[in-house]
Amino acid sequence: TAGITQAPTSQILAAGRSMTLRCTQDMRHNAMYWYRQDLGLGLRLIHYSNTAGTTGKGEVPDGYSVSRANTDDFPLTLASAVPSQTSVYFCASSLASGGNNEQFFGPGTRLTVL
Amino acid sequence: AQSVTQLGSHVSVSEGALVLLRCNYSSSVPPYLFWYVQYPNQGLQLLLKYTSAATLVKGINGFEAEFKKSETSFHLTKPSAHMSDAAEYFCAVSDRASRAGGTSYGKLTFGQGTILTVHP
Repeated sequence: TAGITQAPTSQILAAGRSMTLRCTQDMRHNAMYWYRQDLGLGLRLIHYSNTAGTTGKGEVPDGYSVSRANTDDFPLTLASAVPSQTSVYFCASSLASGGNNEQFFGPGTRLTVL
Repeated sequence: AQSVTQLGSHVSVSEGALVLLRCNYSSSVPPYLFWYVQYPNQGLQLLLKYTSAATLVKGINGFEAEFKKSETSFHLTKPSAHMSDAAEYFCAVSDRASRAGGTSYGKLTFGQGTILTVHP
């Protein structure tokens, strides 16, 4: 099984441009998450979705938006990219949103904003 | 609010030596605790988790961790390091699922990560 796929693998983006990072899971998990990983800061939650049709803000939501139209897909959109959004972005999912559920991670998207 | 502190951003051991990666947590409620591993250019994968059953938790690849409530710690150990253990390790804490307002629901808070280097 593929698990979680993310696209693109990497991207260089001009500041001010918009971009959507794609995330798809084939595990029929209810909950999905977007994190950014920055050196020395670990992973920080951007947005999450407990189930299709619902989303919530994480620790660092500013400048990002998400949607959850169906169970499998959870795209992350940067409406107007800024250099501080240069990071590695990870999508994750879990069977349910309860705290003891293991989160499964995608391979990541490396984004550079110039 | 919950938080995690990993002591030491870099740990270096010899092959065959004991691995000890330190993690302390802060949580207002009994926590769930996790250790994840990230190999270069990959996503994170679960090593082990504590969910209030046994305090000594065994995970994959010979790793284990012990939950010590009195010390608010969840240190990760492996008796004998292997070259393939070289990676970055993340400790994470999750609160018990809260239904109040539906806005906080068992989300993970990660530590800053510890890079483990294993040399021959």
